[in-house]
Amino acid sequence: DAGVIQSPRHEVTEMGQEVTLRCKPISGHDYLFWYRQTMMRGLELLIYFNNNVPIDDSGMPEDRFSAKMPNASFSTLKIQPSEPRDSAVYFCASTPRGGGELFFGEGSRLTVL
Amino acid sequence: SQQGEEDPQALSIQEGENATMNCSYKTSINNLQWYRQNSGRGLVHLILIRSNEREKHSGRLRVTLDTSKKSSSLLITASRAADTASYFCATDGFYGGATNKLIFGTGTLLAVQP
Repeated sequence: DAGVIQSPRHEVTEMGQEVTLRCKPISGHDYLFWYRQTMMRGLELLIYFNNNVPIDDSGMPEDRFSAKMPNASFSTLKIQPSEPRDSAVYFCASTPRGGGELFFGEGSRLTVL
Repeated sequence: SQQGEEDPQALSIQEGENATMNCSYKTSINNLQWYRQNSGRGLVHLILIRSNEREKHSGRLRVTLDTSKKSSSLLITASRAADTASYFCATDGFYGGATNKLIFGTGTLLAVQP
């Protein structure tokens, strides 16, 4: 298996633009997580899904952020409109069982100017 | 914040020495996990210890868990330059009624000098 695949790896955009980050989890993994990593705040859990259903989105910073999982092999994290403080590395991770080992993608580095 | 704390924030040692990192957390847990992150890369799982376990080994890694103190330690023996990375603990606990979500600590940056 190719592992968790994230795209784009790097994104530079201007404030106010819409940003869409994509994730393909490992086949057969029922749980998918979105994390954000910054120097100031470390690794923050934004949202996680179980069987394509959002279970906990309490970490989503505000209404500008939304996440979807239309099927078992694809998830998106959207920021609209983007702001400079959204600059971070966004990681997607999946696991076959709740509370188990997470398999991380290589991350999407977002810079909002 | 639900986030755990790791200690020290940074650690520099010589090749061949042992490295010990500590993690404290705030809630009851099902398990605790340790991850490694090389610069610019995603996190990689190292080891998982369940709440009813006190010690676990994997190769040069030794993890202990003290649930009464809500703390864990990761020992890397006979360190190598290739062990240079950030190390994070993560807890699967009871956060706001939801389980199965891993909350990560602040991390320890380990530098192993050749």
